[in-house]
Amino acid sequence: RKEVEQDPGPFNVPEGATVAFNCTYSNSASQSFFWYRQDCRKEPKLLMSVYSSGNEDGRFTAQLNRASQYISLLIRDSKLSDSATYLCVVNTGGFKTIFGAGTRLFVKA
Amino acid sequence: EAQVTQNPRYLITVTGKKLTVTCSQNMNHEYMSWYRQDPGLGLRQIYYSMNVEVTDKGDVPEGYKVSRKEKRNFPLILESPSPNQTSLYFCATRPLHTGIRGDQPQHFGDGTRLSIL
Repeated sequence: RKEVEQDPGPFNVPEGATVAFNCTYSNSASQSFFWYRQDCRKEPKLLMSVYSSGNEDGRFTAQLNRASQYISLLIRDSKLSDSATYLCVVNTGGFKTIFGAGTRLFVKA
Repeated sequence: EAQVTQNPRYLITVTGKKLTVTCSQNMNHEYMSWYRQDPGLGLRQIYYSMNVEVTDKGDVPEGYKVSRKEKRNFPLILESPSPNQTSLYFCATRPLHTGIRGDQPQHFGDGTRLSIL
């Protein structure tokens, strides 16, 4: 079993749709969680950190469920520019970082 | 401007010819890390460093070396490159200290595309 698992997709959605991604992690000692986006094999860019209480940034909402060991990302009112690969990132104890393989999103006009 | 600079951006070379990919950051961050990205596998951590002269293995360290003689630089060394090291490589950095809500996020360089023939 991979330490961090994501549905690879692709998710194909129309503009304006709401889409949700989930990510599960296996190490219960994991401490910090992030969502990054990556465009066409460019460098990953931080979308948002994920906090225990849940957090929102505009159209994006991230949530963490420590008991079930998963994090989620909700994108509301999808834009064409949201088309990208979304990476779930987990910092385990001891300074290691584990990336999920990514979920592809295509937003269509 | 905060920057993580990798060089070269692209390199095609042959098996066995030693190469070094440089990474430099201007943010005074303690933590630096190298990743490789392969189709279907996502980013995998090769080595990381918590500070000068402090390095440790990630998940895929075989065939790689690193050094951290200065805080701003973290070169990745392939002593004897092989075709299975053909990949897209990223360097990343972040502050070592943990904030109230956890670790700070990492900032990535633009990537280095290596082809080993």
